[in-house]
Amino acid sequence: SQKIEQNSEALNIQEGKTATLTCNYTNYSPAYLQWYRQDPGRGPVFLLLIRENEKEKRKERLKVTFDTTLKQSLFHITASQPADSATYLCAPGPGGATNKLIFGTGTLLAVQP
Amino acid sequence: DAGVIQSPRHEVTEMGQEVTLRCKPISGHNSLFWYRQTMMRGLELLIYFNNNVPIDDSGMPEDRFSAKMPNASFSTLKIQPSEPRDSAVYFCASRETSGANVLTFGAGSRLTVL
Repeated sequence: SQKIEQNSEALNIQEGKTATLTCNYTNYSPAYLQWYRQDPGRGPVFLLLIRENEKEKRKERLKVTFDTTLKQSLFHITASQPADSATYLCAPGPGGATNKLIFGTGTLLAVQP
Repeated sequence: DAGVIQSPRHEVTEMGQEVTLRCKPISGHNSLFWYRQTMMRGLELLIYFNNNVPIDDSGMPEDRFSAKMPNASFSTLKIQPSEPRDSAVYFCASRETSGANVLTFGAGSRLTVL
């Protein structure tokens, strides 16, 4: 069955450092992969989408890589700030013949001032 | 645009009671998704609709759960009878069928079944 794995343990880093979050998937051949941010008490918010033919995508301090051979995506936040503290979810998609979007369990990032 | 609107934001009920959660998607979005989020299982897809038609309900836990979309601007998720293990945050999300497969989520409905 399709499986999406993200670091279940919280990632604690110092302000100003680069945060790197990992998303691994199995039994999947997604055409693209999305990353979302979720703050406590709120719904997930879309951040970035990277397609299978793109190796890297950037948006301001965010960078996403997509390695279809390793079946892995890395999500980087450079010059991290306490305001970046949140849970980050990855979602490879679409899954199978339908267009449903399945999410990983998310990684909690805590940026210490 | 007000975004995806969910109600109620919080619901506390007793085991055995019927619960109805409501969602108004973004106007012009053709697809609507219902997810459930818990600490143990993360964000689980329950059901999704395209053009008001249920496409995939394989994530609906059991017959106690049902979802409807009578028109393009309204959907309900009903649990009858509710059980304590149904306690979770239920999210509704909508998506434009054309373009990228990006979801816009509502703020969620936090359900507590005592």
